[in-house]
Amino acid sequence: SAVISQKPSRDICQRGTSLTIQCQVDSQVTMMFWYRQQPGQSLTLIATANQGSEATYESGFVIDKFPISRPNLTFSTLTVSNMSPEDSSIYLCSVEDWTGISYEQYFGPGTRLTVT
Amino acid sequence: SQELEQSPQSLIVQEGKNLTINCTSSKTLYGLYWYKQKYGEGLIFLMMLQKGGEEKSHEKITAKLDEKKQQSSLHITASQPSHAGIYLCGAAVSGYSTLTFGKGTMLLVSP
Repeated sequence: SAVISQKPSRDICQRGTSLTIQCQVDSQVTMMFWYRQQPGQSLTLIATANQGSEATYESGFVIDKFPISRPNLTFSTLTVSNMSPEDSSIYLCSVEDWTGISYEQYFGPGTRLTVT
Repeated sequence: SQELEQSPQSLIVQEGKNLTINCTSSKTLYGLYWYKQKYGEGLIFLMMLQKGGEEKSHEKITAKLDEKKQQSSLHITASQPSHAGIYLCGAAVSGYSTLTFGKGTMLLVSP
C-alpha cells in the first residue's frame, strides 16, 4: 500500500494568513485527493488533483481559497488562503493506489490547522 | 447525492465482547471502504468491499457487504483497548474514485 506523509503535522495560524500543506507519496499515483474534517464532523472532499491538469473542486470550494498544485505523480500541495477561524480543521490528502486486484484509497496522517 | 448512515453513533463495550457497526447507503455502493481514525489523526485503511455478498477479514475485524450492495457491517470479535477509535465508512460515488463518508462510530473499549 502507498505510504503518505504530510507536512506540517499541525500548525496554529493567525487569521488572514495562508498556509501551504504538502503531501508526499512513496510511489507514483495518478489520482490524489484533498479532504477536510472540521471538528466533530466527518470528511468532506475539497478537490481532486490529477497530475498535468487543473484540480477539480467540489461544490462549496473554490480555487482562490484552496489553490492546489500537482507538479508530479508523487507530490501535491494544498494552500488554505486568507484563513479564518472557520478553516480550523484537519486537512487530509489521499491517493488511489492499484493493488493488482483493485483500486484502494489510502490517507495521509493529516494536518491539524488551528486559526486564531 | 449519496448519503451514508452509520449506526450506532457511539459504542462502549467491555473488553472481550463482540460488536457490530453498520453502514447503510441510500444508493447502490460501487465500493465500500472501512477506516479507523484515532482522535485528531489520519485514517487507517481497514478493508474495501466491492462485490455483493463479499466478506473480508483482518485479524479480529470482519466486514461484509450485503447482496444488494447497500449495506455493510463491520464486526469486531473479542474487542481490545487497541480497537478503540472512530470507525468511518466511505463509499465510492457512482463508480468514481471520490468518496462520501458516514459520520463515524466512536468506539470505546473498557477494561
